[in-house]
Amino acid sequence: QKEVEQNSGPLSVPEGAIASLNCTYSDRGSQSFFWYRQYSGKSPELIMFIYSNGDKEDGRFTAQLNKASQYVSLLIRDSQPSDSATYLCAVSYAGNNRKLIWGLGTSLAVNP
Amino acid sequence: GAVVSQHPSWVICKSGTSVKIECRSLDFQATTMFWYRQFPKQSLMLMATSNEGSKATYEQGVEKDKFLINHASLTLSTLTVTSAHPEDSSFYICSAVAPRGGNTEAFFGQGTRLTVV
Repeated sequence: QKEVEQNSGPLSVPEGAIASLNCTYSDRGSQSFFWYRQYSGKSPELIMFIYSNGDKEDGRFTAQLNKASQYVSLLIRDSQPSDSATYLCAVSYAGNNRKLIWGLGTSLAVNP
Repeated sequence: GAVVSQHPSWVICKSGTSVKIECRSLDFQATTMFWYRQFPKQSLMLMATSNEGSKATYEQGVEKDKFLINHASLTLSTLTVTSAHPEDSSFYICSAVAPRGGNTEAFFGQGTRLTVV
C-alpha cells in the first residue's frame, strides 16, 4: 500500500527562523510531489510542486526532493507568524488516475 | 493558479434531508475531480474520484448510495449527501486536476462546512 508519512508535530520555530518540514513516501514509482498549506477551517492551498531531484525555490520556500532516499522536504525561510498552519505533503503516481496520496500533515507554529 | 469554485461554503440542514454541493473549475477543463471529507483536526480523507461522463470511483468504506456524485461536464461535479445524519457533519472539499505539461496539479475549492441538526 502506498504511503506518505509526515511528523504530525507540532513544530514550533521562532519568527525569522528556518522551518524544515519533512515527508517520506513508500513507492519508488512516485512521480510528482506537492506541498500544500492548510489553515484551520480552510481548504488546502498549493505552495509548491517538484518533479525532479534537487532543490526548487520560490520566494521564501524551497522544496527538496531526493528520490533515492524517498523523501521530500519543504524549507521556509524567515518564518512569519502567518506561516502557522498545517502543511500537507502529497504524492502522485503514474497511471493512478491522478489521485494524490496524502500525508497526515505537520502542524507548524511560528512564535512572534 | 487555476480556480475551483465550491458552493455553498456552509450549509445547515435537518436530519433526513439531502444536500447538494457543487464544484466548478472556472478557467480550465477538469476531466477528474476528487471529493474529500475532513473531520476536525484530521487529515483529508478521499471519498471518491469523479471522472467526466462516467461513474465515480468510491474509496473503501464510502457508501455510494449515500454520497451521490455526478460529473456531467468538464467543469462541474456535484456531491449530494442523501438522508443526512448528524454524523455526516463535516468539512467537504472538492479538488480538480489541471494538467500541466506531463504532470498534474490539484486545485481545491473553498470547502463546504456541513452541519446536520
